[in-house]
Amino acid sequence: SAVISQKPSRDICQRGTSLTIQCQVDSQVTMMFWYRQQPGQSLTLIATANQGSEATYESGFVIDKFPISRPNLTFSTLTVSNMSPEDSSIYLCSVVVAGDYNEQFFGPGTRLTVL
Amino acid sequence: AQSVTQPDIHITVSEGASLELRCNYSYGATPYLFWYVQSPGQGLQLLLKYFSGDTLVQGIKGFEAEFKRSQSSFNLRKPSVHWSDAAEYFCAASNPGDYKLSFGAGTTVTVRA
Repeated sequence: SAVISQKPSRDICQRGTSLTIQCQVDSQVTMMFWYRQQPGQSLTLIATANQGSEATYESGFVIDKFPISRPNLTFSTLTVSNMSPEDSSIYLCSVVVAGDYNEQFFGPGTRLTVL
Repeated sequence: AQSVTQPDIHITVSEGASLELRCNYSYGATPYLFWYVQSPGQGLQLLLKYFSGDTLVQGIKGFEAEFKRSQSSFNLRKPSVHWSDAAEYFCAASNPGDYKLSFGAGTTVTVRA
């Protein structure tokens, strides 16, 4: 298993600003992902965070809006840029731990409200 | 297109009664299947998973799920529900060898005394 922490746990931001969310894992992981959960909705995959290279984005998500970094095996950041109220969501990182084949563990999420 | 469907948006069940949550998938090949639970204000917790083999899968917290290829279903069950089972339940799937999950819309379970 893995213990995942996210910072901040929640934030209230003004439109037009940007917020960077951090995801830290206590063990080396093979893969890291970022998901979005809009209010009352299910989870949607934003991108795969690739170590040392550009993230792989899903359809409908672009790097300019959601830049992602992953400098090492245990840490990643997601930035929500030029925010609008439509970006109000819970953002979750998830990881696949080396050896736990295809089992994903999710962080506690970051609840973002954009005014 | 690949998809996961949870037909029931909201289910109310009495404490002690049985619970069944439905999940259907549409994938080209049999996907890996998962059930997650999200309690209020909490993150997602994996209840159980199916990759292959025995079609009845046991999970944590007394949950089990049955994979039925003919019906493209992976329904979650619990024989006797506890008040602490009130939560949002998500069915998810991925292509074999691919870790990217597609989630169903979720089913909210309310437990009444």
